[in-house]
Amino acid sequence: SQKIEQNSEALNIQEGKTATLTCNYTNYSPAYLQWYRQDPGRGPVFLLLIRENEKEKRKERLKVTFDTTLKQSLFHITASQPADSATYLCALPVYYGGSQGNLIFGKGTKLSVKP
Amino acid sequence: NAGVTQTPKFQVLKTGQSMTLQCAQDMNHNSMYWYRQDPGMGLRLIYYSASEGTTDKGEVPNGYNVSRLNKREFSLRLESAAPSQTSVYFCASRPWGSGDYTDTQYFGPGTRLTVL
Repeated sequence: SQKIEQNSEALNIQEGKTATLTCNYTNYSPAYLQWYRQDPGRGPVFLLLIRENEKEKRKERLKVTFDTTLKQSLFHITASQPADSATYLCALPVYYGGSQGNLIFGKGTKLSVKP
Repeated sequence: NAGVTQTPKFQVLKTGQSMTLQCAQDMNHNSMYWYRQDPGMGLRLIYYSASEGTTDKGEVPNGYNVSRLNKREFSLRLESAAPSQTSVYFCASRPWGSGDYTDTQYFGPGTRLTVL
């Protein structure tokens, strides 16, 4: 069955540095991969989607890469700020009962950015 | 636009009690989902409704039932609550179509349920 793993449960970095989070998957060839942000006590919020034919995607200080050979996505936050502290989830589409649009989520990486 | 709303925000039940978690979205989305989130387990899909009038099981459906009341509302019912159902429950919705923003899901704020 499909498996999705986020290697680090927690990542601590200093303000201004680049945070790099990893998402790996197995037994799967997804058409796209998504990243979400979740703050304590809140629901996940969509950040970026990258498709299998895209190597890299950027949005402001965020950059996502997608290596379908390695079955891995990297999520970068450049010039990190304490406000970037949150849990980041990666997600892949999965099909239940032939229905598209369902997602499986990684367990998340909790990022803490220290001033 | 309120987005996805969930009620209640918090709930404490005793084993064997029943309750219904409510979810509504005002974005005219076609698909709706119920997840549970447990420490160390991540988000797991309980049930989903690909469109109004249809519902299907997800990864962990046992002990739950759902109703897609209309296009806006999707409720989750626990008929006889068990301590193993202590969790945070999230409802999500997704618009029709395929694209960078139509392939994404929009989540509600969650319901924190404790079963004693």
